[in-house]
Amino acid sequence: GDSVTQMEGPVTLSEEAFLTINCTYTATGYPSLFWYVQYPGEGLQLLLKATKADDKGSNKGFEATYRKETTSFHLEKGSVQVSDSAVYFCAQTYSSASKIIFGSGTRLSIRP
Amino acid sequence: NAGVMQNPRHLVRRRGQEARLRCSPMKGHSHVYWYRQLPEEGLKFMVYLQKENIIDESGMPKERFSAEFPKEGPSILRIQQVVRGDSAAYFCASSPENSGNTIYFGEGSWLTVV
Repeated sequence: GDSVTQMEGPVTLSEEAFLTINCTYTATGYPSLFWYVQYPGEGLQLLLKATKADDKGSNKGFEATYRKETTSFHLEKGSVQVSDSAVYFCAQTYSSASKIIFGSGTRLSIRP
Repeated sequence: NAGVMQNPRHLVRRRGQEARLRCSPMKGHSHVYWYRQLPEEGLKFMVYLQKENIIDESGMPKERFSAEFPKEGPSILRIQQVVRGDSAAYFCASSPENSGNTIYFGEGSWLTVV
């Protein structure tokens, strides 16, 4: 069945380091892809999304490109900040909000 | 425009008690979803409701769990006779339509069963 696999955490980086969090998906078609962020004690917030192949989603310095050929949607940021410490979830859905499939999350910690 | 409001934020129940979690969707949103997040896991879909109707409950455990979204008032997720395995974060989300592109999540309710 459809699924989302993302790199296991925790990931610990120093401030201003380059970030990559890998995400791959399996799907029978071409779903929309999302990255959500969950700060400590809070709910999920949509970080960025891409709805078709080769689309690039971006927000707050984060980017991810929908790669159909590698079924990937890796999250990147050129220079992380302490405030980026959170859990990041990759997700997919064809359309329905009731069928969003989430990855297991990657905890990111940034050292000052 | 207030976001999706959930309460309580934290709830502690003893085994065998009942837990009730409430969710008020964003203004103008008639679609409500409940997701569960077990420790160190991603969110899993539980149930999708519209006013007075359960549309999809394919993710709900067969026993002890129920959900409603009455004509007036918040949506309620009810867990009867809680067990330790019910300890999790329960997230409510709402959208103006059944679309993954327009869904907004609440801050979650953390249930601890002792």
